[in-house]
Amino acid sequence: AQTVTQSQPEMSVQEAETVTLSCTYDTSESDYYLFWYKQPPSRQMILVIRQEAYKQQNATENRFSVNFQKAAKSFSLKISDSQLGDAAMYFCAYRSAFTGANSKLTFGKGITLSVRP
Amino acid sequence: EPEVTQTPSHQVTQMGQEVILRCVPISNHLYFYWYRQILGQKVEFLVSFYNNEISEKSEIFDDQFSVERPDGSNFTLKIRSTKLEDSAMYFCASSPRESYNEQFFGPGTRLTVL
Repeated sequence: AQTVTQSQPEMSVQEAETVTLSCTYDTSESDYYLFWYKQPPSRQMILVIRQEAYKQQNATENRFSVNFQKAAKSFSLKISDSQLGDAAMYFCAYRSAFTGANSKLTFGKGITLSVRP
Repeated sequence: EPEVTQTPSHQVTQMGQEVILRCVPISNHLYFYWYRQILGQKVEFLVSFYNNEISEKSEIFDDQFSVERPDGSNFTLKIRSTKLEDSAMYFCASSPRESYNEQFFGPGTRLTVL
């Protein structure tokens, strides 16, 4: 079974600074997808960024980028130019590619990010 | 932009009562999911549903739980006899055909069992 670990329960960043959120995972599969979801106080889960394991290039979405290290099974999220609206809970999630579109997401415990003005 | 909707936003029930949580997935999506999040804990998979049947379910999804797609738009989660530990946020999600695509989450239903 796959597991996702987010060992930092909380992090804080100054507005406009950069912060990196860590995530590691364990799997025996070679093909999979990794995601970062944001959960603001409204509790809605919002996709931040997605990485496909077979792609070497790290995904980027505007101020959000990942550092995907497949051999180390590490998938960290970097938020540049942090904004007050980035304050939220962030979940790392894993999804197998082998069972197709029906595959469940396995989430980490999440990390609470606060942004200081 | 199409979105997943869930009703009600908050449900309060007495222990032992049946509850039905409703979801309307995005219209052209084919795969449907329920997840739950106990307060302060991680999001956990409950069940996935495709082609009018359960594809996968977790150990949490015991005989007290059932899912149904009664018509072409709704996707429901029923808990037959609620327990205190069923108190949680329940998220519905849907996904289109392509396997690489994200799962789109609804805003959740907060279930409180007294």
